[in-house]
Order: sequence, then C-alpha cells, then structure tokens
Amino acid sequence: SQQGEEDPQALSIQEGENATMNCSYKTSINNLQWYRQNSGRGLVHLILIRSNEREKHSGRLRVTLDTSKKSSSLLITASRAADTASYFCATGLISNTGKLIFGQGTTLQVKP
Amino acid sequence: DAGVIQSPRHEVTEMGQEVTLRCKPISGHNSLFWYRQTMMRGLELLIYFNNNVPIDDSGMPEDRFSAKMPNASFSTLKIQPSEPRDSAVYFCASSWGTGQGADTQYFGPGTRLTVL
Repeated sequence: SQQGEEDPQALSIQEGENATMNCSYKTSINNLQWYRQNSGRGLVHLILIRSNEREKHSGRLRVTLDTSKKSSSLLITASRAADTASYFCATGLISNTGKLIFGQGTTLQVKP
Repeated sequence: DAGVIQSPRHEVTEMGQEVTLRCKPISGHNSLFWYRQTMMRGLELLIYFNNNVPIDDSGMPEDRFSAKMPNASFSTLKIQPSEPRDSAVYFCASSWGTGQGADTQYFGPGTRLTVL
C-alpha cells in the first residue's frame, strides 16, 4: 500500500476557516514534504520538515511531524478561495537519497 | 529561471504509435524525475536520474517505456508502442540533490497524453 496515506480525501470549508489535512506513513523517513497542485498544473513545493523537527511554519501554513506515530499534519489558517487545490504529502525515505513517495492527496475546496 | 520545461503540453495519438515526451530541468539541478498521474493510481514515480545516470527505474511499467538523459539539460521518456491505458499526465521534476535525503522537487507543467 501507499507509503503516505492522507486523510481526509476531500475537504470543503468556508473562506476564513482553518483546514487541517493529515498524512500517515509506514517506514522511517529522512524528511516529509507537502506539495500543492492546482487543477491542470504541476505540483508546487510548500514546506519541508526534517525527521528531527516537530513543527514548522511558513506564512499561513503550519506543519507538524510525529515520528513516533508516523504522521504529519498540514494546517492552513484563515483559508482563502485561492487555497482551493489538492495537497500531497511526500516522504523522503532514509533508505533512498533522492526519491519521494507521494500520498494520494487531499482535495480542498474553499468556498468564498 | 524558466523552471522545468516540458514538451509537448498535450499529445493525442493512436494506439501503437510511438510517443516521446521531453523535459528540460532547471539549470544546475542534478536529479531528474519522471512521474505519471492518473485518477486511479495517483502520482507514480517512473524513473529518476542523478547526474544523468538512472538510479531507480522500478516504477517503469514495462518494456514499452524507456527514458534517457543524454546530458544535464535534457531528458526524454518514450513509449513504444503506446496503448490506451498509458493515457495520463506525465510530469518531469528536478532537484538539487545534497545526498542527505530527498530534496525539494520542482515540477514541470506536465504533458497530458491521450492514446486513442
């Protein structure tokens, strides 16, 4: 099965609300990354958190990592209609120097 | 920088034809990745190169698929012969690999392939 599994698969919220997406993985990682994909476009890197970090912030994004539970969460605060996209977590495995394993993604819809 | 460049952006072909997808990575990047994205299977890594050398091709579906990277600024993914089940969006991505774990990848806009 997938190394990264995301929850929920789809999320619909109102503008201004917070959105939380979760990612679980199975094997030990070197780092975990989150990407965004707008419809019909390529993926765009949002944030990278290393295995020895627990929390990281970037603007309205907050990422947490719990290596004991093999899980991560992405929080988008004060969401905007422009945040509507699919969000993917990707794990960089310890056993690989360059490869990322992507989850199936969470589709976020932010209603204006 | 122009980012990762892929061509063509759209390709429609008939079953049995050869298809060649092209990618120009970001200048200075030393790793290049080919992915395939479908609704059913999500984003799958097909193959990746480091310093122009194929490192992991375990995701290449079958012998009909081949990839080359003749130099640091160009890569191709070829499907011969193509089949309808190859219809997907194919992404190329590049990164600057530090050798200390997976690095940030920069994706191209993708090639939408339709095989009739």
